[in-house]
Amino acid sequence: AQSVTQLDSQVPVFEEAPVELRCNYSSSVSVYLFWYVQYPNQGLQLLLKYLSGSTLVKGINGFEAEFNKSQTSFHLRKPSVHISDTAEYFCAVCDLGIIQGAQKLVFGQGTRLTINP
Amino acid sequence: DTEVTQTPKHLVMGMTNKKSLKCEQHMGHRAMYWYKQKAKKPPELMFVYSYEKLSINESVPSRFSPECPNSSLLNLHLHALQPEDSALYLCASSSPGRLKETQYFGPGTRLLVL
Repeated sequence: AQSVTQLDSQVPVFEEAPVELRCNYSSSVSVYLFWYVQYPNQGLQLLLKYLSGSTLVKGINGFEAEFNKSQTSFHLRKPSVHISDTAEYFCAVCDLGIIQGAQKLVFGQGTRLTINP
Repeated sequence: DTEVTQTPKHLVMGMTNKKSLKCEQHMGHRAMYWYKQKAKKPPELMFVYSYEKLSINESVPSRFSPECPNSSLLNLHLHALQPEDSALYLCASSSPGRLKETQYFGPGTRLLVL
């Protein structure tokens, strides 16, 4: 089974500073990778996903992520954060070879991003 | 429309009560999911329905009973729950048969079991 490791449980950053949230996955075969954001008292919203092709993926709200196969990483970055980016961020990998007709996501433990003024 | 709706938003129930959570989507998705999320933890998959048939049950206790009455609706029936079942219950949906598809999540039902 695949697994995902988010190396930082909490990341405090000042407003307008750059940020990187780290994610490593276990599989060495083809993977589909996702970053979701969860704002307080809300469900999860997709930020971006890597399926194939270009290793630099751009998402919503100015976020981007880079897929690195040799390092089995999929780190999320934003060049300048805002107070509104305060949220929990989850990296996830699609567990392949499972289930006909549905998709099983394996989530990392999450990273709490706190933006300070 | 990429919306998944869930009702109720909040639910408080006693250990002897019977209640139901409801999830609805109108995106034509034929895969629907129930997740349980404890505070400061990632979502944990409970059940998956594909084409209205239960395809995954992640060893969930029988006090949780899912139901998919049609392609747009997903219910979770609750009976004789324990305080440790208090959590945020999330519903999601996706297009089936394609692993690349995005799962769309609802806002969740926050459940408190007393």
